[in-house]
Amino acid sequence: GAGVSQSPSNKVTEKGKDVELRCDPISGHTALYWYRQSLGQGLEFLIYFQGNSAPDKSGLPSDRFSAERTGGSVSTLTIQRTQQEDSAVYLCASSFDRVAKNIQYFGAGTRLSVL
Amino acid sequence: SQQGEEDPQALSIQEGENATMNCSYKTSINNLQWYRQNSGRGLVHLILIRSNEREKHSGRLRVTLDTSKKSSSLLITASRAADTASYFCATVSGGYQKVTFGIGTKLQVIP
Repeated sequence: GAGVSQSPSNKVTEKGKDVELRCDPISGHTALYWYRQSLGQGLEFLIYFQGNSAPDKSGLPSDRFSAERTGGSVSTLTIQRTQQEDSAVYLCASSFDRVAKNIQYFGAGTRLSVL
Repeated sequence: SQQGEEDPQALSIQEGENATMNCSYKTSINNLQWYRQNSGRGLVHLILIRSNEREKHSGRLRVTLDTSKKSSSLLITASRAADTASYFCATVSGGYQKVTFGIGTKLQVIP
């Protein structure tokens, strides 16, 4: 596609439910990143994919968070047993590769609200 | 803690004035980037400066980098109301090219 696409754009869920957030990166981009942004805050790194593997998942805040990427393209971030503190905007970015300048292209994000 | 820390955290200026935002970081870098985020949107890349560069221009943007002080500044000249947004610096470091974002500066340009 023309840009990074994330879905859904908004998600409201009840505490304790599982949610799946999807990211469709720019075609041909091998690197994919997930970030979390709380209201009025900076970006918190969650996980990085190179192809289908995740060499850096150091930012995942707990074992309730997991992510996968298939076919070197679409990625899914899953949050199990959601808590109210999980409420944030989840941003996905992709870049051509990590070796060059590493300029990242962002999606518009998924706004998650846990009631 | 964040690798990049922007200063000030919030800035309000009149249209036509210049806006200066600063970013400090702690470790050595390969390059430093500035991004812009409009309310409710993703980040958009503005400009990249390599570690061996001291200054770079792009339109009304001027970025400086002082690796001895581990700091960078972003200057927006002749600001416009449409420049109202949050601005983030991002450092790229290590052989792994890890990208770390700061907490951002929220700029408001008053028409």
